[in-house]
Amino acid sequence: DVKVTQSSRYLVKRTGEKVFLECVQDMDHENMFWYRQDPGLGLRLIYFSYDVKMKEKGDIPEGYSVSREKKERFSLILESASTNQTSMYLCASSFLGRERGEQFFGPGTRLTVL
Amino acid sequence: GDSVTQMEGPVTLSEEAFLTINCTYTATGYPSLFWYVQYPGEGLQLLLKATKADDKGSNKGFEATYRKETTSFHLEKGSVQVSDSAVYFCALSDLANDYKLSFGAGTTVTVRA
Repeated sequence: DVKVTQSSRYLVKRTGEKVFLECVQDMDHENMFWYRQDPGLGLRLIYFSYDVKMKEKGDIPEGYSVSREKKERFSLILESASTNQTSMYLCASSFLGRERGEQFFGPGTRLTVL
Repeated sequence: GDSVTQMEGPVTLSEEAFLTINCTYTATGYPSLFWYVQYPGEGLQLLLKATKADDKGSNKGFEATYRKETTSFHLEKGSVQVSDSAVYFCALSDLANDYKLSFGAGTTVTVRA
């Protein structure tokens, strides 16, 4: 079974803090993704990566950065957390090409910024 | 660009009722279509998919048919159970968008015993 794990299920941070969310997958997938999920908005893509050290902006990259130093690990960084970044964050992974649409998701991290 | 519209919830049903969740899409190419499900407290998981027109995806008693003429991919289940309570997301993946997923807003379904 494909397994995507995220470092925390729940996280509470203060405004202005630097926040790291970690994601690890064990299926040797080339692609990794970070989404945020908000009620009524579905999932919105923040960043994705199709290879080590490669990254591409998604639909809402402002206020976020990412790091992919190893194939299995993809980190999301909030440089200076703000209250409007309170959300559920989901990591996903997939193979390349047409299989990119078949993604495997982690359990999510619910981040609260006070 | 690509977009997905699915019926708004929440939807509340009794056990053994028939469930339909409507989904329509806009895409520039020939997309693959997906239904993902999110059970309480979990991440999303793929429920079913269809990659070309008239394909029917099915899994766990759920079905959806790729209708190119109506640009639709409606999800159906003939007899729901309490364990089907979840949020359901329709999504598409298209070469024009580099095969990234575009999601609908999600439909919350609650099944009562």
